[in-house]
Amino acid sequence: ETGVTQSPTHLIKTRGQQVTLRCSSQSGHNTVSWYQQALGQGPQFIFQYYREEENGRGNFPPRFSGLQFPNYSSELNVNALELDDSALYLCASSLMTQETQYFGPGTRLLVL
Amino acid sequence: GQQLNQSPQSMFIQEGEDVSMNCTSSSIFNTWLWYKQDPGEGPVLLIALYKAGELTSNGRLTAQFGITRKDSFLNISASIPSDVGIYFCAGRSNAGNNRKLIWGLGTSLAVNP
Repeated sequence: ETGVTQSPTHLIKTRGQQVTLRCSSQSGHNTVSWYQQALGQGPQFIFQYYREEENGRGNFPPRFSGLQFPNYSSELNVNALELDDSALYLCASSLMTQETQYFGPGTRLLVL
Repeated sequence: GQQLNQSPQSMFIQEGEDVSMNCTSSSIFNTWLWYKQDPGEGPVLLIALYKAGELTSNGRLTAQFGITRKDSFLNISASIPSDVGIYFCAGRSNAGNNRKLIWGLGTSLAVNP
């Protein structure tokens, strides 16, 4: 059984650019949640995907968007990057009926 | 964004000491979770609590779901150097279709061997 994996591990972008982060869920998990974790803060919920559809969203602007694929892997897309988007982006997978979320190692994004 | 009140913010203790940290919310939660995060890694679930008053252990870790459903605590007994890390509480209200986890700011634990 493989755990949650994310790519890339690190990324540097400039303001105004677009970025795509990827997540492979743990085997058998059909739900993926994305979080933003700024330095020294707890994770902030961005949105959740279940069976390829968005299933709940936090207080993030529309330039944060996502996708889930038939194999339950997921992408997080951020358009028009801002300096404050610099953070660790975490992906977590789970079974919809269970509370337990298993996190990947995260992608650290730096926006210059 | 919304966050829980978690305390203390940081702790520096001697190996072998017991540790206690807690989390409070202004609203009622149906689920309390405790995670540990090591540098450069994602959070790892330590204990999950689903019922008011529930007391659950995982090795040297014990957590309780407060009777009021607005708080939870985590105890670590006989700390060891590998306990070093940041501990987060997280809660969920399950109101409506809300699946959002609300997180504390974390308690940074340092253990002196």
